Amino acid sequence: EDKVVQSPLSLVVHEGDTVTLNCSYEVTNFRSLLWYKQEKKAPTFLFMLTSSGIEKKSGRLSSILDKKELFSILNITATQTGDSAVYLCAVGRYGGATNKLIFGTGTLLAVQP
Amino acid sequence: ETGVTQTPRHLVMGMTNKKSLKCEQHLGHNAMYWYKQSAKKPLELMFVYSLEERVENNSVPSRFSPECPNSSHLFLHLHTLQPEDSALYLCASSLRTVDSYEQYFGPGTRLTVT
Repeated sequence: EDKVVQSPLSLVVHEGDTVTLNCSYEVTNFRSLLWYKQEKKAPTFLFMLTSSGIEKKSGRLSSILDKKELFSILNITATQTGDSAVYLCAVGRYGGATNKLIFGTGTLLAVQP
Repeated sequence: ETGVTQTPRHLVMGMTNKKSLKCEQHLGHNAMYWYKQSAKKPLELMFVYSLEERVENNSVPSRFSPECPNSSHLFLHLHTLQPEDSALYLCASSLRTVDSYEQYFGPGTRLTVT
């Protein structure tokens, strides 16, 4: 059975800290891994990773994929209170007529002032 | 208006009511999705539509009935729901269903069944 596991489940840090969120997966027909940020509204797209070892970066956020060890990490440096959210990891798998996203349960990040 | 919109944002309904959730995307995408998000559980894919045709139905009870009149609009008709159906219902769209994994989500409808 396909599964995506995120850790930690929740995390509390102070502004300025650096955090690393983890996502491991066991998914057949893997095609891509995506990270989303969900506040009290729509999950917003952060990154999509398809190749191992190539870091994607956007401001203070960066992510990398390891297809051999089947995991990805999301790094956030110099955290701010606005980074507080649930971070969702999803794996895209080829499913025949449709592609599917298999989601993890998310990591709840709280950044305290 | 841009992106993916959903109405209503909040809905409280009794088990005997009939209501509908609406989703509209302004991105020119051809694929639309309904997801259910319950507390402490991963997003669960419910339905997938490609160019107004349903291409996926993930063993969803018949009390949930989707409708896709065109590629920009998606509805979820609800009737005789159960309290365990209370959740956040998210709509998403993507360019295609094949080789297009980046999905854009609406803000969701928070549904409470009493």
